[in-house]
Amino acid sequence: SQQGEEDPQALSIQEGENATMNCSYKTSINNLQWYRQNSGRGLVHLILIRSNEREKHSGRLRVTLDTSKKSSSLLITASRAADTASYFCATVSIYSSNTGKLIFGQGTTLQVKP
Amino acid sequence: EAGVAQSPRYKIIEKRQSVAFWCNPISGHATLYWYQQILGQGPKLLIQFQNNGVVDDSQLPKDRFSAERLKGVDSTLKIQPAKLEDSAVYLCASTSGDTQYFGPGTRLTVL
Repeated sequence: SQQGEEDPQALSIQEGENATMNCSYKTSINNLQWYRQNSGRGLVHLILIRSNEREKHSGRLRVTLDTSKKSSSLLITASRAADTASYFCATVSIYSSNTGKLIFGQGTTLQVKP
Repeated sequence: EAGVAQSPRYKIIEKRQSVAFWCNPISGHATLYWYQQILGQGPKLLIQFQNNGVVDDSQLPKDRFSAERLKGVDSTLKIQPAKLEDSAVYLCASTSGDTQYFGPGTRLTVL
């Protein structure tokens, strides 16, 4: 079953603006990952944050994790038209830490207008 | 380094027909996954292999779906017979650590 729920389902912004996507999950996790999927393509790994981390940065990406609220957010700063894609959060529960089984959310569709 | 390869990229079949998908993971990756992604949803794990052994197939509809990874390298996923609700993108991924690397997927349409 899908564990993550993402919010919003769709987001439309202008180029140069920041985009924030949120993810909530249900069970205790080992780590949480964010993936990007361009239309008609496979998923690309963006960033991984472990359960003992609170914030992580990678280029224009900033991920936060609040394990007490079972939630995470992905911030894309200074967005570009090329950031238009669907973004998925995926969790590895503590019960699957040895297998690395990912449970994906429904995704957020981001449109960045030039 | 070459990525995960999948074929075919697109397949259209009639319901009750059979279909097979092929995946070649990144060289050296012991773990291979097959996911089903229905339009508008996130990917759902169907089966996970560690080398040529099955680690998790709890969400694989075993009455019609089968998968194998005989030599611990490439893998095939088969649907027999297909149903309308099997229309989806089938994604293969491989990993040697925490990060999964995905192939481009096979888009299956069942008419």
